[in-house]
Amino acid sequence: GQQVMQIPQYQHVQEGEDFTTYCNSSTTLSNIQWYKQRPGGHPVFLIQLVKSGEVKKQKRLTFQFGEAKKNSSLHITATQTTDVGTYFCAGQTTSGTYKYIFGTGTRLKVLA
Amino acid sequence: KAGVTQTPRYLIKTRGQQVTLSCSPISGHRSVSWYQQTPGQGLQFLFEYFSETQRNKGNFPGRFSGRQFSNSRSEMNVSTLELGDSALYLCASSVGYEQYFGPGTRLTVT
Repeated sequence: GQQVMQIPQYQHVQEGEDFTTYCNSSTTLSNIQWYKQRPGGHPVFLIQLVKSGEVKKQKRLTFQFGEAKKNSSLHITATQTTDVGTYFCAGQTTSGTYKYIFGTGTRLKVLA
Repeated sequence: KAGVTQTPRYLIKTRGQQVTLSCSPISGHRSVSWYQQTPGQGLQFLFEYFSETQRNKGNFPGRFSGRQFSNSRSEMNVSTLELGDSALYLCASSVGYEQYFGPGTRLTVT
Protein backbone atom coordinates (compact mmCIF):
# COMPACT_ATOMS: atom_id res chain seq x y z
CA GLY A 1 0.00 0.00 0.00
CA GLN A 2 0.88 3.65 -0.14
CA GLN A 3 3.60 4.63 2.31
CA VAL A 4 5.12 7.85 3.54
CA MET A 5 8.55 7.51 5.10
CA GLN A 6 10.42 10.09 7.11
CA ILE A 7 14.09 10.32 7.92
CA PRO A 8 15.75 10.55 10.27
CA GLN A 9 13.69 8.82 12.93
CA TYR A 10 15.54 10.69 15.68
CA GLN A 11 17.74 13.76 15.71
CA HIS A 12 19.63 15.31 18.58
CA VAL A 13 21.07 18.77 17.94
CA GLN A 14 22.79 21.43 19.98
CA GLU A 15 20.75 24.57 20.44
CA GLY A 16 21.57 26.91 17.59
CA GLU A 17 22.27 24.16 15.07
CA ASP A 18 20.07 23.58 12.05
CA PHE A 19 17.74 20.62 11.61
CA THR A 20 16.14 19.00 8.58
CA THR A 21 13.61 16.19 8.26
CA TYR A 22 12.74 14.55 4.96
CA CYS A 23 9.51 12.97 3.87
CA ASN A 24 9.20 10.55 0.93
CA SER A 25 6.06 9.07 -0.56
CA SER A 26 5.85 5.95 -2.68
CA THR A 27 3.30 7.69 -4.91
CA THR A 28 2.48 11.20 -6.09
CA LEU A 29 0.64 13.31 -3.55
CA SER A 30 -2.11 15.84 -3.99
CA ASN A 31 -0.70 17.96 -1.20
CA ILE A 32 1.35 17.57 1.94
CA GLN A 33 0.89 18.88 5.44
CA TRP A 34 3.31 19.20 8.33
CA TYR A 35 2.46 18.81 12.00
CA LYS A 36 4.36 19.19 15.25
CA GLN A 37 3.61 17.09 18.31
CA ARG A 38 5.16 18.11 21.61
CA PRO A 39 5.93 15.35 24.13
CA GLY A 40 2.66 14.30 25.73
CA GLY A 41 0.68 16.50 23.39
CA HIS A 42 -1.30 16.18 20.20
CA PRO A 43 -0.31 17.04 16.62
CA VAL A 44 -0.61 20.71 15.76
CA PHE A 45 -0.95 21.82 12.15
CA LEU A 46 1.98 23.82 10.82
CA ILE A 47 1.45 24.24 7.09
CA GLN A 48 0.12 22.80 3.83
CA LEU A 49 1.99 22.69 0.52
CA VAL A 50 0.07 22.11 -2.68
CA LYS A 51 2.09 23.16 -5.71
CA SER A 52 5.01 21.31 -7.27
CA GLY A 53 8.29 22.87 -6.09
CA GLU A 54 6.53 25.07 -3.55
CA VAL A 55 8.60 26.65 -0.78
CA LYS A 56 7.05 28.31 2.26
CA LYS A 57 8.66 29.93 5.28
CA GLN A 58 7.43 30.48 8.80
CA LYS A 59 10.04 32.41 10.78
CA ARG A 60 12.88 29.88 11.26
CA LEU A 61 11.01 27.05 9.51
CA THR A 62 11.29 26.41 5.76
CA PHE A 63 9.05 23.88 4.03
CA GLN A 64 9.58 22.48 0.54
CA PHE A 65 7.47 20.30 -1.72
CA GLY A 66 9.34 18.36 -4.38
CA GLU A 67 8.92 18.90 -8.09
CA ALA A 68 7.42 15.43 -8.52
CA LYS A 69 5.15 15.96 -5.50
CA LYS A 70 6.52 12.80 -3.91
CA ASN A 71 8.83 14.30 -1.33
CA SER A 72 9.01 17.18 1.08
CA SER A 73 11.33 18.64 3.68
CA LEU A 74 11.17 20.77 6.78
CA HIS A 75 14.24 22.76 7.73
CA ILE A 76 14.64 24.61 11.02
CA THR A 77 17.36 27.23 11.25
CA ALA A 78 19.10 27.84 14.57
CA THR A 79 17.04 25.45 16.66
CA GLN A 80 15.73 26.46 20.05
CA THR A 81 14.64 24.33 23.00
CA THR A 82 11.03 25.19 22.11
CA ASP A 83 11.46 23.25 18.85
CA VAL A 84 11.56 19.94 20.75
CA GLY A 85 8.94 17.48 19.59
CA THR A 86 8.06 15.07 16.82
CA TYR A 87 7.51 16.44 13.34
CA PHE A 88 5.13 14.58 11.05
CA CYS A 89 4.39 15.02 7.41
CA ALA A 90 1.00 13.91 6.10
CA GLY A 91 0.41 13.35 2.43
CA GLN A 92 -2.99 13.35 0.81
CA THR A 93 -3.56 10.74 -1.85
CA THR A 94 -4.45 11.84 -5.37
CA SER A 95 -7.12 9.25 -5.94
CA GLY A 96 -9.38 6.85 -4.21
CA THR A 97 -10.27 7.95 -0.74
CA TYR A 98 -8.20 11.15 -0.63
CA LYS A 99 -7.19 10.34 2.92
CA TYR A 100 -4.09 11.65 4.65
CA ILE A 101 -1.24 9.23 5.22
CA PHE A 102 1.07 10.28 8.01
CA GLY A 103 4.79 9.81 7.86
CA THR A 104 6.63 7.92 10.56
CA GLY A 105 7.77 11.14 12.23
CA THR A 106 11.11 12.61 13.25
CA ARG A 107 11.69 13.13 16.93
CA LEU A 108 13.81 16.21 17.56
CA LYS A 109 15.70 16.77 20.77
CA VAL A 110 17.49 20.07 21.30
CA LEU A 111 20.33 20.16 23.79
CA ALA A 112 20.83 23.49 25.56
CA LYS B 1 -13.32 29.08 20.35
CA ALA B 2 -13.11 25.89 22.34
CA GLY B 3 -10.83 23.25 20.89
CA VAL B 4 -11.56 19.65 20.03
CA THR B 5 -12.51 17.67 23.11
CA GLN B 6 -12.28 13.94 23.58
CA THR B 7 -13.70 11.79 26.34
CA PRO B 8 -12.63 9.89 28.22
CA ARG B 9 -8.96 10.87 28.34
CA TYR B 10 -7.83 7.54 29.74
CA LEU B 11 -9.40 4.11 29.63
CA ILE B 12 -8.39 0.65 30.74
CA LYS B 13 -10.27 -2.31 29.28
CA THR B 14 -9.90 -6.06 29.21
CA ARG B 15 -9.45 -8.18 26.10
CA GLY B 16 -12.76 -9.09 24.53
CA GLN B 17 -14.60 -6.04 25.84
CA GLN B 18 -15.83 -3.20 23.69
CA VAL B 19 -15.23 0.52 24.05
CA THR B 20 -16.80 3.74 22.80
CA LEU B 21 -14.79 6.95 22.50
CA SER B 22 -16.30 10.37 21.98
CA CYS B 23 -15.11 13.44 20.10
CA SER B 24 -16.65 16.91 20.06
CA PRO B 25 -15.29 18.99 17.19
CA ILE B 26 -14.70 22.71 17.11
CA SER B 27 -17.96 24.55 16.62
CA GLY B 28 -18.73 24.86 12.93
CA HIS B 29 -16.46 22.01 11.87
CA ARG B 30 -18.38 19.32 10.04
CA SER B 31 -15.55 16.92 9.27
CA VAL B 32 -14.20 14.62 11.96
CA SER B 33 -11.36 12.15 11.38
CA TRP B 34 -10.08 9.48 13.72
CA TYR B 35 -6.51 8.26 14.00
CA GLN B 36 -4.74 5.57 15.98
CA GLN B 37 -1.27 6.45 17.27
CA THR B 38 1.15 3.80 18.49
CA PRO B 39 4.93 3.93 18.96
CA GLY B 40 5.45 1.20 16.37
CA GLN B 41 2.99 2.21 13.65
CA GLY B 42 2.80 5.97 14.10
CA LEU B 43 -0.39 7.80 13.18
CA GLN B 44 -2.78 5.66 11.19
CA PHE B 45 -6.01 6.91 9.66
CA LEU B 46 -9.15 5.11 10.81
CA PHE B 47 -12.03 6.96 9.17
CA GLU B 48 -13.50 10.36 8.39
CA TYR B 49 -17.06 11.53 8.82
CA PHE B 50 -18.68 14.51 7.19
CA SER B 51 -22.29 15.51 7.74
CA GLU B 52 -23.09 12.19 9.42
CA THR B 53 -21.68 10.15 6.52
CA GLN B 54 -18.47 8.16 6.46
CA ARG B 55 -16.45 9.78 3.68
CA ASN B 56 -13.14 7.92 3.98
CA LYS B 57 -11.97 4.75 5.61
CA GLY B 58 -8.56 3.40 6.50
CA ASN B 59 -7.34 -0.16 6.55
CA PHE B 60 -8.65 -1.32 9.89
CA PRO B 61 -10.75 -4.41 10.61
CA GLY B 62 -14.50 -4.19 10.96
CA ARG B 63 -14.17 -4.22 14.75
CA PHE B 64 -13.48 -0.51 14.41
CA SER B 65 -16.54 1.53 13.60
CA GLY B 66 -17.73 5.06 14.00
CA ARG B 67 -20.59 7.42 13.55
CA GLN B 68 -21.33 11.10 13.51
CA PHE B 69 -24.34 12.85 14.90
CA SER B 70 -26.27 15.81 13.53
CA ASN B 71 -24.35 18.18 15.83
CA SER B 72 -21.08 16.86 14.29
CA ARG B 73 -20.05 15.06 17.46
CA SER B 74 -18.53 11.71 16.64
CA GLU B 75 -18.04 8.41 18.36
CA MET B 76 -15.84 5.50 17.52
CA ASN B 77 -16.41 2.00 18.77
CA VAL B 78 -14.00 -0.89 19.03
CA SER B 79 -15.52 -4.29 19.68
CA THR B 80 -13.78 -7.45 20.90
CA LEU B 81 -10.72 -5.56 22.08
CA GLU B 82 -7.28 -7.05 21.49
CA LEU B 83 -4.02 -6.24 23.25
CA GLY B 84 -2.79 -4.61 20.06
CA ASP B 85 -5.58 -2.05 20.23
CA SER B 86 -3.74 -0.30 23.06
CA ALA B 87 -2.99 3.12 21.64
CA LEU B 88 -3.69 6.82 21.73
CA TYR B 89 -6.84 7.51 19.72
CA LEU B 90 -6.93 10.99 18.27
CA CYS B 91 -9.75 12.75 16.57
CA ALA B 92 -9.32 15.79 14.39
CA SER B 93 -11.92 18.21 13.13
CA SER B 94 -11.63 20.47 10.13
CA VAL B 95 -13.62 22.96 8.12
CA GLY B 96 -11.03 23.33 5.36
CA TYR B 97 -7.77 21.52 4.90
CA GLU B 98 -6.31 22.26 8.33
CA GLN B 99 -6.93 19.49 10.85
CA TYR B 100 -7.29 20.40 14.51
CA PHE B 101 -6.48 17.51 16.80
CA GLY B 102 -7.97 16.79 20.19
CA PRO B 103 -5.90 15.66 23.19
CA GLY B 104 -6.69 12.01 22.51
CA THR B 105 -7.97 9.07 24.50
CA ARG B 106 -5.29 6.76 25.85
CA LEU B 107 -6.70 3.21 25.68
CA THR B 108 -4.94 0.40 27.47
CA VAL B 109 -6.12 -3.16 26.86
CA THR B 110 -5.06 -5.74 29.43
